[in-house]
Amino acid sequence: QVQVVQSGAEVRKPGASVKVSCKVSGYTLTELSIHWVRQVPGKGLEWMGGFDPEDGETIYAQKFQGRVTMTEDTSTDTAYMELSSLRFEDTAVFYCVTVGPPYGGNLGFWGQGSLVTVSS
Amino acid sequence: SYELTQPPSVSVSPGQTARITCSGDALAKQYTSWFQQKPDQAPVLVIYKDTERPSGIPERFSGSSSGTTVTLTISGVQAEDEADYYCQSSDSNKNSLYVFGTGTKVTVL
Repeated sequence: QVQVVQSGAEVRKPGASVKVSCKVSGYTLTELSIHWVRQVPGKGLEWMGGFDPEDGETIYAQKFQGRVTMTEDTSTDTAYMELSSLRFEDTAVFYCVTVGPPYGGNLGFWGQGSLVTVSS
Repeated sequence: SYELTQPPSVSVSPGQTARITCSGDALAKQYTSWFQQKPDQAPVLVIYKDTERPSGIPERFSGSSSGTTVTLTISGVQAEDEADYYCQSSDSNKNSLYVFGTGTKVTVL
């Protein structure tokens, strides 16, 4: 069974950056890919990007390109998502989600979410 | 951009059957997953590859597909099934690899 644990809540000022971590266990990051999903309070789910093992590269949703960087440390099985140039409307819960065993190319196990609040 | 459309809300009495639809042009060619999200909790996968149920998900949850519409059916609804439900599929454009539906609030009367 995969377990996914994310870092805690963060508060940032507009224009700053935030980096959220996501540690997996049960499988390694060489077996899984990590994707990130944003949920603005009271709104739906929005895919931000993630690692595509078919191409061996990280792909980003067009909406976030240029502002988001997703990285992985396979030595600690921890993935990171950094979002820069934060705006008030970036206040949201950010989830990391696994792709891989046992669900193949489908989104599977979710972290508990990390609330990022952008406030002056 | 690619869109998946769901009804905003579905209401059902305990023990009855709830059906949640999801419509989108590419659904005829791509698999769909369904996620359940309860208040202040992370989403949970309840159906993948249109009809597959993950381990631990009750048998009352089932999925079906017909053309450009997929359906999540909850048979014998229980109070604990009250939640938001999201369909999710894929686009051939890698910049929208995973696309979520608009979400449906299921209310158990």
